[in-house]
Amino acid sequence: NAGVTQTPKFRVLKTGQSMTLLCAQDMNHEYMYWYRQDPGMGLRLIHYSVGEGTTAKGEVPDGYNVSRLKKQNFLLGLESAAPSQTSVYFCASSYMISSGANVLTFGAGSRLTVL
Amino acid sequence: EDQVTQSPEALRLQEGESSSLNCSYTVSGLRGLFWYRQDPGKGPEFLFTLYSAGEEKEKERLKATLTKKESFLHITAPKPEDSATYLCAVQARGGGSNYKLTFGKGTLLTVNP
Repeated sequence: NAGVTQTPKFRVLKTGQSMTLLCAQDMNHEYMYWYRQDPGMGLRLIHYSVGEGTTAKGEVPDGYNVSRLKKQNFLLGLESAAPSQTSVYFCASSYMISSGANVLTFGAGSRLTVL
Repeated sequence: EDQVTQSPEALRLQEGESSSLNCSYTVSGLRGLFWYRQDPGKGPEFLFTLYSAGEEKEKERLKATLTKKESFLHITAPKPEDSATYLCAVQARGGGSNYKLTFGKGTLLTVNP
């Protein structure tokens, strides 16, 4: 099993360009998430999905859009990149165990630099 | 709003020198408290889930404990390979928080040989 796979691993953009980060999971998990990680800020939730065809806003959604057309894929889009979006992006998927707690499995991350 | 505060921000130990990391939390009803380990350039890796005050879980040199306001990650006789950033997260009960985890900023642990 590959787990959670993110592509690309690295990307450099110019201000105003657009791009899409792809996340794929092979664990048949219902829930998927996009986090960003910045020095001194920790992991912050951008958007999440509780099932195919559904998405919801997290803590820092502005400037990002997401889509979950297939259960195994969760796409994060930047329509007009800004330097403030320079970050490491982590995708995660999860299942709910009997207690109702969600155990997240993370991908390896995508490092994005916006010049 | 759920909040997680981890201390210290960084901790440097000698090999074999036991210590503890702290995670203080505020949540409107705890569904679960999670500990993750993150190595440089990698994604967080799940370690433990704790559900209620008084609960303890162990894995090799790590033991996690939980009270109503905080969790500790005890590291006994650490080795250099235990060097990593340790993240704490909480999941609240009910409503829109049912699926989301709120993370602390982490503690960077360095174990010197």
